[in-house]
Amino acid sequence: AQSVAQPEDQVNVAEGNPLTVKCTYSVSGNPYLFWYVQYPNRGLQFLLKYITGDNLVKGSYGFEAEFNKSQTSFHLKKPSALVSDSALYFCAVRDFGNRDDKIIFGKGTRLHILP
Amino acid sequence: AAGVIQSPRHLIKEKRETATLKCYPIPRHDTVYWYQQGPGQDPQFLISFYEKMQSDKGSIPDRFSAQQFSDYHSELNMSSLELGDSALYFCASSPTGRPTDTQYFGPGTRLTVL
Repeated sequence: AQSVAQPEDQVNVAEGNPLTVKCTYSVSGNPYLFWYVQYPNRGLQFLLKYITGDNLVKGSYGFEAEFNKSQTSFHLKKPSALVSDSALYFCAVRDFGNRDDKIIFGKGTRLHILP
Repeated sequence: AAGVIQSPRHLIKEKRETATLKCYPIPRHDTVYWYQQGPGQDPQFLISFYEKMQSDKGSIPDRFSAQQFSDYHSELNMSSLELGDSALYFCASSPTGRPTDTQYFGPGTRLTVL
């Protein structure tokens, strides 16, 4: 069965510093990996995805993520954090091998950017 | 750009009542997904439709049903509501049913059952 782990419930970063939000996954087939962000009382906004190709994926708002097959990880990164990046971040996976429609989400990581 | 529209945005119901949530996908998207997000929880997949046919089913209670109409909008019908049904219900849409598609989420309907 597919699963996603986000080992940190909360990450605190000073504004201007680089940030990393960690994600590891488990699937039976090839993974399709996604990052979404959720602001308070808002829906999930798509940030980026990895399907195939380059391991480094660039997305919205300056975010990027690196797919590492050997470590089964897909960490989200940004070189310089902004206070407005403070939100709840979800890593998600879709298992091509299962032919499921559903996306499996991690538990989420709350990112706090400190001014 | 047009986004997924959900209505109503907020809904308050009593136990044992029924509720209907509506979802209007992004234009030219033919696949719709429903998710439930409990307080402090990650979204959980309920059900999906592709070209008006149910394509996948997750942890959806038997008290819930859903369908997709000819204009591709979808409705989630919830009966005999329980306190535990209080949650944020998201609809997402994608251009096709392919697994590589991005699912674009609506703002959600917050259901409170009293």
